[in-house]
Amino acid sequence: SYELTQPPSVSVSPGQTASITCSGDKLGDKYACWYQQKPGQSPLLVIYQDNKRPSGIPERFSGSNSGDTATLTISGTQAMDEADYYCQAWDSSTAVFGGGTKLTVL
Amino acid sequence: QVQLQESGPGLVKPSETLSLTCTVSGGSISSHYWIWIRQPPGKGLEWIGNIYYTGSTYSNPSLKSRVTFSLDMSKNQFSLKMTSVTAADTAVYYCAKGDWGYRRGSPQFWFDPWGQGTLVTVSS
Repeated sequence: SYELTQPPSVSVSPGQTASITCSGDKLGDKYACWYQQKPGQSPLLVIYQDNKRPSGIPERFSGSNSGDTATLTISGTQAMDEADYYCQAWDSSTAVFGGGTKLTVL
Repeated sequence: QVQLQESGPGLVKPSETLSLTCTVSGGSISSHYWIWIRQPPGKGLEWIGNIYYTGSTYSNPSLKSRVTFSLDMSKNQFSLKMTSVTAADTAVYYCAKGDWGYRRGSPQFWFDPWGQGTLVTVSS
């Protein structure tokens, strides 16, 4: 079965750029999307189709996907961006989530 | 703007059937895919399956033998039934709306928005 691998944790200073990776075999051949989940809340879509932002998502969130790796980039990270982030892709008629990355804004 | 709300029993006994309903407001279920996803306490997200308004479905292979999806167009609701539950099925269950695009000829789905989630505990 298809697997997506994320680092368990990433730390960033306020105002700096955070990058969260998601790795999977030939992931670049699929669309990657990203969800943000804050404690006690349901997940929120922040990137879909590799690099598109839903309405209402700040411009500081961006995405890329090539080869075996998709990347979520948060520019000018704010304290409110501290959350768990999950990547997701679709393979062989199945949705697959990465294990999640806890982003800490120090 | 579409909103979703899960409902159903918060406690189910082992070996029994879990039944949840998602009520959609602000839009019709007669379009899009409709999704079930779960999250065990303190763990990551697990996709359960999709149902299209035509009734066609996709299911997680690891759960496929135990899950059934259905739609009630008159109530703008869709539902999940999961049989023979065990403690491992204890989780927050979310419903969501699915959209898709095509990549290399294959549909690729993403999920937005999500309901607030409902905790289902499997215990005697």
